[in-house]
Amino acid sequence: DVKVTQSSRYLVKRTGEKVFLECVQDMDHENMFWYRQDPGLGLRLIYFSYDVKMKEKGDIPEGYSVSREKKERFSLILESASTNQTSMYLCASSFDTAQPGNYGYTFGSGTRLTVV
Amino acid sequence: AQSVTQLGSHVSVSEGALVLLRCNYSSSVPPYLFWYVQYPNQGLQLLLKYTTGATLVKGINGFEAEFKKSETSFHLTKPSAHMSDAAEYFCAVTSSGGSYIPTFGRGTSLIVHP
Repeated sequence: DVKVTQSSRYLVKRTGEKVFLECVQDMDHENMFWYRQDPGLGLRLIYFSYDVKMKEKGDIPEGYSVSREKKERFSLILESASTNQTSMYLCASSFDTAQPGNYGYTFGSGTRLTVV
Repeated sequence: AQSVTQLGSHVSVSEGALVLLRCNYSSSVPPYLFWYVQYPNQGLQLLLKYTTGATLVKGINGFEAEFKKSETSFHLTKPSAHMSDAAEYFCAVTSSGGSYIPTFGRGTSLIVHP
């Protein structure tokens, strides 16, 4: 089975800290994604990447950056954490094909981040 | 542009009863449609998907969904609910020939009563 692993299940950080959320997938997927999930708002796309060193902004990129130095790893960075970034963060990956949208995503288990 | 509407943020059923979770979509091109399930404190898991071909799609755990183009719907059903089905369910759409980034619905929480 494809596995997407997020390094932490729960994190507590202080306001102003730089926070790194790590995601690793083991099936050679081209595409990787970071979402945040908040009650009543569903999933909102922060950033995605369709190749090494490539990144694209999603719907809510403000306050975040990403890094993809290797194909299997996609990191989400909160440059200066704020309390409104308290959320569940989900990483996902998918195959890249001529029609990549038809394969669906494989998600990690999520990181619940609390900023105090 | 594409969008997804899930009717009802919460659906409550008794164990053994029919489960029906509603999803309507809009898409200017033929859609690909997905249902995902999220158990508490976990990520999302793909339940089933429609791409092309048969409009009735069977997924894991006894769930199925039917693509109805005329109604722009992709409702999720299960004949008999189990307590273990209690979870959050998300419908998602991508479009063939367009952006492959899916649009997710806001989710429906399924509550199963003994």
